[in-house]
Amino acid sequence: SQQGEEDPQALSIQEGENATMNCSYKTSINNLQWYRQNSGRGLVHLILIRSNEREKHSGRLRVTLDTSKKSSSLLITASRAADTASYFCATYAGGTSYGKLTFGQGTILTVHP
Amino acid sequence: NAGVTQTPKFQVLKTGQSMTLQCAQDMNHEYMSWYRQDPGMGLRLIHYSVGAGITDQGEVPNGYNVSRSTTEDFPLRLLSAAPSQTSVYFCASTDSGREQFFGPGTRLTVL
Repeated sequence: SQQGEEDPQALSIQEGENATMNCSYKTSINNLQWYRQNSGRGLVHLILIRSNEREKHSGRLRVTLDTSKKSSSLLITASRAADTASYFCATYAGGTSYGKLTFGQGTILTVHP
Repeated sequence: NAGVTQTPKFQVLKTGQSMTLQCAQDMNHEYMSWYRQDPGMGLRLIHYSVGAGITDQGEVPNGYNVSRSTTEDFPLRLLSAAPSQTSVYFCASTDSGREQFFGPGTRLTVL
């Protein structure tokens, strides 16, 4: 079963606007990661946030984590057409999970020029 | 570094045929995994390995076998292909708990 549930399933915006995607999960985690997938390609790691962190930035990306609500959000500011892709959250439980990640179903982001 | 490589990129099989999807990484990662991705769904874990000689099942292991004889290689074998195995397959490697590095994928069609 999918650990992460992502919302919305699809998002369509204009270039320059901000895009916000949300991820909810069910069990306790060690960290949560966000990945991007361009059509027909493999996934590319964007950012990792640990369970004891609340916010993290990387360039135009801002990730928040609320462990009490078991949710995370990914904000892409000043979006570009090149940001058009699917975005997935993935959770890592830690402990004996070793490297296992559990992925959400993803949000399809379309940025119109 | 080549990262994670997968072969072939595309494959068409007939029902009942067997084949092996190859995966290799040159980052000396202990942990490797195989996922399948179906339309509208995220990635589902098939099998994973925490080191040479150690493998375990993921969420959807039926119909697939794996082995890990070296740190670098982690092949996925389809024993008797079925149309339900039509999917895109991704191999990934990582140091435990950190970012995963994905291969480019193998697009498999089973007729």
